Amino acid sequence: GAGVSQSPSNKVTEKGKDVELRCDPISGHTALYWYRQSLGQGLEFLIYFQGNSAPDKSGLPSDRFSAERTGGSVSTLTIQRTQQEDSAVYLCASSHSGLANDEQYFGPGTRLTVT
Amino acid sequence: RKEVEQDPGPFNVPEGATVAFNCTYSNSASQSFFWYRQDCRKEPKLLMSVYSSGNEDGRFTAQLNRASQYISLLIRDSKLSDSATYLCVVKIVSNNDMRFGAGTRLTVKP
Repeated sequence: GAGVSQSPSNKVTEKGKDVELRCDPISGHTALYWYRQSLGQGLEFLIYFQGNSAPDKSGLPSDRFSAERTGGSVSTLTIQRTQQEDSAVYLCASSHSGLANDEQYFGPGTRLTVT
Repeated sequence: RKEVEQDPGPFNVPEGATVAFNCTYSNSASQSFFWYRQDCRKEPKLLMSVYSSGNEDGRFTAQLNRASQYISLLIRDSKLSDSATYLCVVKIVSNNDMRFGAGTRLTVKP
């Protein structure tokens, strides 16, 4: 079956522009996660959705970052007034329920480059 | 101090070798533990969950020491296809907060 998909796969934008990244989780998965990974670094947890709600937004790096999820499915991560330090791979993952040992399935990521 | 720390490596081992990675975590509220594998320029994929009593999956053995707050992964009889970055992950179940280590890079050579 279809896995997690993300779009676009690559995005080059100028500093100061807004970008929107999209994640389509596996159908039926209620939990959805956003991470970012800078070159040679580990994954940085950004935000987690259970259904449409995000109980904890404290992982978002600044108020330029926001995320929403509608209909318990697709999620968008928006970065306003992008900065060069926002350049990274943004990974989305979903899991069936978000319970303790639930496996997360990752999408291929969106590689964002801010020039 | 990072919440999840791993030796970045690289570990370069010959085929057939046994190699072990350790990972330490700082948050005692961590409740679930995992090892993920990430190939170059690919997304991470779950290798195995780590249970309190330790668990084995073929050539892979994972151990958890809650008292010392560390997790280990042992790979026996290394294969060329084991070459990847191994990510240690801890989860605080109450808020689903997942913390990834920066990864340990393994290269298995013929």
